[in-house]
Amino acid sequence: NAGVTQTPKFQVLKTGQSMTLQCAQDMNHEYMSWYRQDPGMGLRLIHYSVGAGITDQGEVPNGYNVSRSTTEDFPLRLLSAAPSQTSVYFCASSYSNQGATQYFGPGTRLLVL
Amino acid sequence: EDQVTQSPEALRLQEGESSSLNCSYTVSGLRGLFWYRQDPGKGPEFLFTLYSAGEEKEKERLKATLTKKESFLHITAPKPEDSATYLCAVRSGGGADGLTFGKGTHLIIQP
Repeated sequence: NAGVTQTPKFQVLKTGQSMTLQCAQDMNHEYMSWYRQDPGMGLRLIHYSVGAGITDQGEVPNGYNVSRSTTEDFPLRLLSAAPSQTSVYFCASSYSNQGATQYFGPGTRLLVL
Repeated sequence: EDQVTQSPEALRLQEGESSSLNCSYTVSGLRGLFWYRQDPGKGPEFLFTLYSAGEEKEKERLKATLTKKESFLHITAPKPEDSATYLCAVRSGGGADGLTFGKGTHLIIQP
């Protein structure tokens, strides 16, 4: 199993540009989520999904959109990038949302100029 | 609102010098407390899950314990390869359905 994979590893955007961060898992996990990690702060939840077709907002959802059309994929979309979205983004998955362990991907480092 | 506080922020030890990292938490209905290890430029790597007070888990030189208010990650006779940032997170029954993380403890083991 590849586990949780994320692409790209690194991306530079200009303010106002849009892009999609890709996340995929091959463990047949129902629950998937996106976090951002900033210096001096803990990881913060952006959006999550408890199954295909179901998504909800986390702690810091503004400026981000998600969709879940398949169990395997959970892309994160930045509609109009802002410098405040410069961060490292991690995708995670678990077999359920009932206290199950979440497994993280390698991250995408995003720089918005 | 769930809160997780980790201490110390940074810790420097000599190889073989045992110590403990602290994770204090306040949650509305604990569904799980998680310890992760994160190396520079990498994603968090799962170490332990604890569900109830009194529970303990061990893996090599690491041992995690849980009380109703805090968790400890004990490191026995550490080696330089144990150097990393250790993250604590909780999952609760309230609020958004995800993990609430502490800011981490940056651990350096000197040879």
